[in-house]
Amino acid sequence: GAVVSQHPSRVICKSGTSVKIECRSLDFQATTMFWYRQFPKKSLMLMATSNEGSKATYEQGVEKDKFLINHASLTLSTLTVTSAHPEDSSFYICSARVDGYEQYFGPGTRLTVT
Amino acid sequence: QKEVEQNSGPLSVPEGAIASLNCTYSDRVSQSFFWYRQYSGKSPELIMSIYSNGDKEDGRFTAQLNKASQYVSLLIRDSQPSDSATYLCAVNLSGNTGKLIFGQGTTLQVKP
Repeated sequence: GAVVSQHPSRVICKSGTSVKIECRSLDFQATTMFWYRQFPKKSLMLMATSNEGSKATYEQGVEKDKFLINHASLTLSTLTVTSAHPEDSSFYICSARVDGYEQYFGPGTRLTVT
Repeated sequence: QKEVEQNSGPLSVPEGAIASLNCTYSDRVSQSFFWYRQYSGKSPELIMSIYSNGDKEDGRFTAQLNKASQYVSLLIRDSQPSDSATYLCAVNLSGNTGKLIFGQGTTLQVKP
């Protein structure tokens, strides 16, 4: 299957700082990437759809000014959590769409805000 | 009604048995269906995709789709302890957004 990487895998930051998470498709070009967050023992919650060269489409209830998404190339999308607070602590996972509607997930980034 | 529903479990089966995981969805126009496996603390891994009514087999896994009844299932034959994980059903929404809607997942426990 297609390989998607994420960096960093784990990050701890202080409240009020910003954190950038990178998502890369390693062996294919992804016109569409998705960002999810997942709380413990809960299912995936789609945050936004990221299309190369255009603005991200955010799901209802997701603050676009807080979660900045940039999809600058066909292999890279970034999520920046701005002014992070403890309630932003979560498992953030990106995925990339391949052919059709199959999505392959990155390994995830565990964010802890202290 | 949730768009994609799964029994959260846990579903417990003995090693070597068949595990049967079920999923129902509400959007009649959905055309693409996926099963993901997620180990604790890890991200989801795609294990099966199915687009047409009927069965699709891949190794020990068989996906079954019935669009008329709006359900999709996953059978795992000869279950192994390493199959213990949460299995997520995902359905593509109608239209071409590429967005998937995930069920809450069914936790499978395979006991040696």
